[in-house]
Amino acid sequence: DAGVTQSPTHLIKTRGQQVTLRCSPKSGHDTVSWYQQALGQGPQFIFQYYEEEERQRGNFPDRFSGHQFPNYSSELNVNALLLGDSALYLCASSRADRHNYGYTFGSGTRLTVV
Amino acid sequence: AQTVTQSQPEMSVQEAETVTLSCTYDTSESDYYLFWYKQPPSRQMILVIRQEAYKQQNATENRFSVNFQKAAKSFSLKISDSQLGDAAMYFCAYNFNKFYFGSGTKLNVKP
Repeated sequence: DAGVTQSPTHLIKTRGQQVTLRCSPKSGHDTVSWYQQALGQGPQFIFQYYEEEERQRGNFPDRFSGHQFPNYSSELNVNALLLGDSALYLCASSRADRHNYGYTFGSGTRLTVV
Repeated sequence: AQTVTQSQPEMSVQEAETVTLSCTYDTSESDYYLFWYKQPPSRQMILVIRQEAYKQQNATENRFSVNFQKAAKSFSLKISDSQLGDAAMYFCAYNFNKFYFGSGTKLNVKP
């Protein structure tokens, strides 16, 4: 049973560019959440998708957007990249009816903006 | 606003000994969930233990146990019989619809 799969594992982009990160949830999960983890810090909530809609959003600018597909997979898009966007981006999946039983996290995408 | 504080940036423990990692949180909610996650160099967050706020009994998972003090908003993790494989970053997290994570504690295990 595959867990959460994220791609790519590493990415280097230039300031001002746009990037798309992808996440496939664990089998049986229907909700995907995205987190940004800066170096030496804990993850911070970006947003959560369920039924192809953004359900909740953290304190991130509109440059951060997402999408969820009918197969529950999700994309995180970041426009006009800044140096401060360099971080590990984690995807976590869960079941909408069992959120608090814990989420399954992927291994993340390491984004470096130069 | 919900916040999670881990006041120990780094800790060390001798193999086979016991170590306690501290965590405090702030919330106005009464029904929520608390977690400890382990993040090894592989980067994946691994669930260590979970506590439901409405349960008074402290959660245990093999060598891992918590001391949950709801009134004090404290949620510490005790690791007994520490093993080399326990070395990692440990994050305390509060969950009420979404996760709020602390800044983490790096645990070193000495052979």
